This record gives sequence, structure tokens and C-alpha cells, in this order.
Amino acid sequence: ETGVTQTPRHLVMGMTNKKSLKCEQHLGHNAMYWYKQSAKKPLELMFVYSLEERVENNSVPSRFSPECPNSSHLFLHLHTLQPEDSALYLCASSQGLAGGDLTGELFFGEGSRLTVL
Amino acid sequence: AQTVTQSQPEMSVQEAETVTLSCTYDTSESDYYLFWYKQPPSRQMILVIRQEAYKQQNATENRFSVNFQKAAKSFSLKISDSQLGDAAMYFCAYSAGANSKLTFGKGITLSVRP
Repeated sequence: ETGVTQTPRHLVMGMTNKKSLKCEQHLGHNAMYWYKQSAKKPLELMFVYSLEERVENNSVPSRFSPECPNSSHLFLHLHTLQPEDSALYLCASSQGLAGGDLTGELFFGEGSRLTVL
Repeated sequence: AQTVTQSQPEMSVQEAETVTLSCTYDTSESDYYLFWYKQPPSRQMILVIRQEAYKQQNATENRFSVNFQKAAKSFSLKISDSQLGDAAMYFCAYSAGANSKLTFGKGITLSVRP
């Protein structure tokens, strides 16, 4: 396995369910990110972890709960979601926070398509 | 706050032709980085090209090149000899560098006509 992998690729859940999205990076990076991608809107940065510590939380509702047990894994725990939370959730990683090479380049996974009924 | 604007939601190009995707940004920084990312349907977003603001020379990667106009805060992507595999969403992004997050535009959907 190489790069950034996300599971599941597709998820359908009811508003009362609890589920989790998983992200794993095989690049030896120190920073990991969750983005939300909705149609016709810019990518929304949700959470940033650097060396397993959360360094940014962009006013995300508490029904989204991130977890970073080590520098290679990132989870997004979901509970009591709303239909407007339906979107593509992208995980990304970088060499350091915003890029150890100072450029800010991110490496993305394929995303998890979430549908909330 | 930095903003990135992609005003064209969709564009179409004939195979083998050239297309230019527009992007403008707003920043008070003098040193920063600009990126174009490509997101093919159901596939990973990947970096296409990046430009360091302190470099006057426009970046080039094979068929992809940029027109970086620092004073105008404009950063357009030119795709030459378009191929069917170029069909994707393209996102313009900005970063102020170390310890700075990426700011993305809304993206533009490019279709390539055979």
C-alpha cells in the first residue's frame, strides 16, 4: 500500500447511527487533515493534526469527532449527523505542518462519500 | 484573510487544443506558494503544478504551465494538447508557507471533447 488510503469509500447512514471514517498514510508524514468537499463550495478544512496533536479545529460541530492515535492513522467518528453533512470527506497528509518543505503540498486520499438519510 | 477565487464553474476543450483555467487570489503576504490540484472523477486529488511567489519565472510541467501575475494576483493554468485524461475538477490553492494551511478555490470542472 502506498500513499493515503481511506475507508470506507462509500457510507450511507441514518441520523441516529454512529460510524467512523478511517484514513491511513504510508508516506511517513507528520501532519494529517480532514477536509469536507461539498458541491459548488471550496474545500472546507475541518481538523489538522501535527505529530498526533490537534492543532486546528475549524468550528466543526461536535457530532464530528476526530481521533489520531499515531502519525499514520486518522479517524473521523460520526454520530447523530444531519442530511446537510452528506459530502465527500477527504483525508490528506503532509511532510510537516503545511509541508516540511515549506510549500504546503498535501497528499490526498480518494475520499469517503457520506450520505446521511 | 487569504481568499482564492475561481469564477468559472465549468469549461470545455476539444482534444488536442489548449485551454486556460483562471484563478485569482487575495493576500497581504509577499512570499507564498500557489498550486493547481487535479481531482479526476472518483480518484485522488493530485498536485499538478506549484509556483513560488518569489520566482518570476512561470512554472512548467510538461503540458501544464502557469501564467503567474503577482501584481494582479492572478494565477492561471494552461493545458496544452489537451487529452481525454485531463477531464477532471481543477482546484487552485494558496499557502503562505510553513505552518500555514492551504486555502482552496471552489474548483472548475473541465471536460474534454473527443
